Amino acid sequence: DAKTTQPPSMDCAEGRAANLPCNHSTISGNEYVYWYRQIHSQGPQYIIHGLKNNETNEMASLIITEDRKSSTLILPHATLRDTAVYYCIVRVAGSARQLTFGSGTQLTVLP
Amino acid sequence: ETGVTQTPRHLVMGMTNKKSLKCEQHLGHNAMYWYKQSAKKPLELMFVYNFKEQTENNSVPSRFSPECPNSSHLFLHLHTLQPEDSALYLCASSQGQGRDTEAFFGQGTRLTVV
Repeated sequence: DAKTTQPPSMDCAEGRAANLPCNHSTISGNEYVYWYRQIHSQGPQYIIHGLKNNETNEMASLIITEDRKSSTLILPHATLRDTAVYYCIVRVAGSARQLTFGSGTQLTVLP
Repeated sequence: ETGVTQTPRHLVMGMTNKKSLKCEQHLGHNAMYWYKQSAKKPLELMFVYNFKEQTENNSVPSRFSPECPNSSHLFLHLHTLQPEDSALYLCASSQGQGRDTEAFFGQGTRLTVV
């Protein structure tokens, strides 16, 4: 699985959009981009995933660049409860492959 | 509620004790995973089971012994642990072979070895 690079930490004002970047320059054609988050001492929570098209669900939007070498997770209106570590993972589809978690980005939403 | 339930949520055990962690999922998934998360460290994959067969063992010491009696249940048997084994142990499940779906995690068992 391709490796990812994320900033270690980011702050965001409550009510504003949080944009979390991820670089995955070695991603291959059959690898999806997944985002999870982990609120302190809880299990990771799935947010969203995509292959090459932009995706949106009730939690967030995922923007993937045309060359697929980077992506951005957007939380449109961040709340204090969105404070968590956010993990960007690239993963091969079609097999029972494990999720390899890096260090992620600690997002702190400020009041 | 993710559909993956871990028990107990907290466990304190001595180094000579034997205990077991339990994970149960009611999502119809075929793959189940054990992860370990030590303080201030990324999640580390320990074991992967696919259709009840162990497919990954990431060099985990033998004092950790997994068991997967069926696709819905996963256990982690613990014996003669060390204080450095204190961590959050997380179970996850996913659809598994041939499918690209997200993994769902339990809330974890916070283990303290004294």
